[in-house]
Formats: sequence, structure tokens, C-alpha cells
Amino acid sequence: DTGVSQDPRHKITKRGQNVTFRCDPISEHNRLYWYRQTLGQGPEFLTYFQNEAQLEKSRLLSDRFSAERPKGSFSTLEIQRTEQGDSAMYLCASSLGGGQGATEAFFGQGTRLTVV
Amino acid sequence: GDSVTQMEGPVTLSEEAFLTINCTYTATGYPSLFWYVQYPGEGLQLLLKATKADDKGSNKGFEATYRKETTSFHLEKGSVQVSDSAVYFCALSGMRGGYQKVTFGTGTKLQVIP
Repeated sequence: DTGVSQDPRHKITKRGQNVTFRCDPISEHNRLYWYRQTLGQGPEFLTYFQNEAQLEKSRLLSDRFSAERPKGSFSTLEIQRTEQGDSAMYLCASSLGGGQGATEAFFGQGTRLTVV
Repeated sequence: GDSVTQMEGPVTLSEEAFLTINCTYTATGYPSLFWYVQYPGEGLQLLLKATKADDKGSNKGFEATYRKETTSFHLEKGSVQVSDSAVYFCALSGMRGGYQKVTFGTGTKLQVIP
């Protein structure tokens, strides 16, 4: 296993189009996160899965955004009717969790979205 | 809620200079603390971590000590190299109702000149 994998690495889309990104976490990791990073800022939390259950969604995640992790393995993030403000780097991370301990998250290289 | 505050950059240093990047945090409970590094065009990589008060994380010559009394986790390196040029993010990981959430600072860009 080579780490967290994201696809595609880059996506250019026209405003109003729908886009979908995929994340393959480290295989034994049960926790999966999506973050968004804009230029000059730190990653901002979007949503979190434990196995297939989506346990938290940020207020940043408008109704146009939806994320799934159907079998508790890979995850998809879909943005409908994209807007220019959606242009950002979308980062996926995974971690191995059990009990109450907080462990480090391993990040993928991200998908850079440009909405034109 | 949880938050992380980092010193603003960019920080420009000459090679072999001493580096300090300040980080303070606000959190409930006892979070774990991390430094991540992002090289140009790449994703985030974990640099070091500390999981409890007074722990010192270290890696590649970088160090940071978890100071609960000052709620700080400052990053230091005794002698920086050009290859250390990157953006450094301080982060904390706290438990929320039984699950984990990572909160990042805004990042500090480090430029090391030969």
C-alpha cells in the first residue's frame, strides 16, 4: 500500500458542471476525511467518515456537495453546479482509529479543482 | 471550538540559521498536536507529533514540545537547509463525541536562501 490516493490530480471544469473526485485511503484505515484548501490557507474540514458512516459535515459543505463511502473503503466527493468559488485543492486523509485515542491522519496529494 | 494560531509568514532565513515557528492552540480536553509540511505541488506530510503534555516530537532535525501550560507547540530546527523550504502547518487532533477531528493553522511559509 503506497498511501492515500486521489484521482484526478487536476480538474478544470466550466461553471455549472458537476464534478466527482475519488479517494482511496490506506487499506486498513477506518477513518476518512475530506478537507478543502485554498491558496494561502490551511486545510478546512469538510466531512468525516468512520467506516461507511458519515459522522460529521461542516457548514462549508453546501447542499451542492455530497460525499459517500459506500463500502467503508474508497470515498467520492461530488460537487454539483460548480461555482468559481469552489476552485480549491480538495484533500483526502485517512487514519486508523480505535477507542478514544487521536492518531495522525495521512493525506493524499489532493485534487486541484479550477472552475472557469 | 478548537483552533490553531501560527505566526504569519513568509519566514526567510539563510542556510544554517536557527528556525522557530510559533504555534498556539485552543482546545478542550487533551488533544494530540502535529506539524505537517507541504512542499511545492505536493500534499501534506506529517513531520512530527506529540500526544501528551511535555512530549517532544522530533524528525529530520525538527523538534517541537507539547507545552500544556502555555498551550503551545513551537517548531524549531537548529540549522535549516534550502531543502526545508516549504509551508509548515500546525494542527491539533481532538476527539469529538468519540471521533477524531483535525484542525489546522493557516500555515507558515519558510524560504531558505543559500
